[in-house]
Amino acid sequence: AQKVTQAQTEISVVEKEDVTLDCVYETRDTTYYLFWYKQPPSGELVFLIRRNSFDEQNEISGRYSWNFQKSTSSFNFTITASQVVDSAVYFCALRSGSARQLTFGSGTQLTVLP
Amino acid sequence: GAVVSQHPSRVICKSGTSVKIECRSLDFQATTMFWYRQFPKQSLMLMATSNEGSKATYEQGVEKDKFLINHASLTLSTLTVTSAHPEDSSFYICSAKVQGDTEAFFGQGTRLTVV
Repeated sequence: AQKVTQAQTEISVVEKEDVTLDCVYETRDTTYYLFWYKQPPSGELVFLIRRNSFDEQNEISGRYSWNFQKSTSSFNFTITASQVVDSAVYFCALRSGSARQLTFGSGTQLTVLP
Repeated sequence: GAVVSQHPSRVICKSGTSVKIECRSLDFQATTMFWYRQFPKQSLMLMATSNEGSKATYEQGVEKDKFLINHASLTLSTLTVTSAHPEDSSFYICSAKVQGDTEAFFGQGTRLTVV
């Protein structure tokens, strides 16, 4: 069985602050993929990143960075210098082993205040 | 990335009627398509997985006679909500992938309101 936990239901920050969204996953498979998606109020899912279980290198893309720690089964997402446009629901997701579908966490509602 | 188009984006229907939602892969052939449902302020829950030319596999608790899924071609899957009721009001979103690929691409979603 696979499971994704996003313990933070809602986070509110003031513009320009840094914010980290937590994601903890569970799987018995050694091969798996982790994802982050952004869902703005319009509803569509915007793909942010995919990571496979064999690549623990952290990644930075502009203001976004991801910290993958297999030892703690975590895949955290940090936004530096947050902006109002970052306000959205962020989902962490897992696809493991031979499973074809994604298992989503419950999501974190991020609100960036001006 | 590949494009998945979902139509309509919004639909309002009367209780008891049926509504069809289309999911098309525009620039690739999708061997597998997934249908998710998302209630307000909740996560995406997988409803069913369909492979082209075969019957869909439904998740536990999802009524296959109520949510009819057809994946007749490699570029089109449809979800028909039959005899819709207000509790079926939700955001439905599809995703599509090619066999062997790790990535699945999402449609824009359909917001269904049953009145």
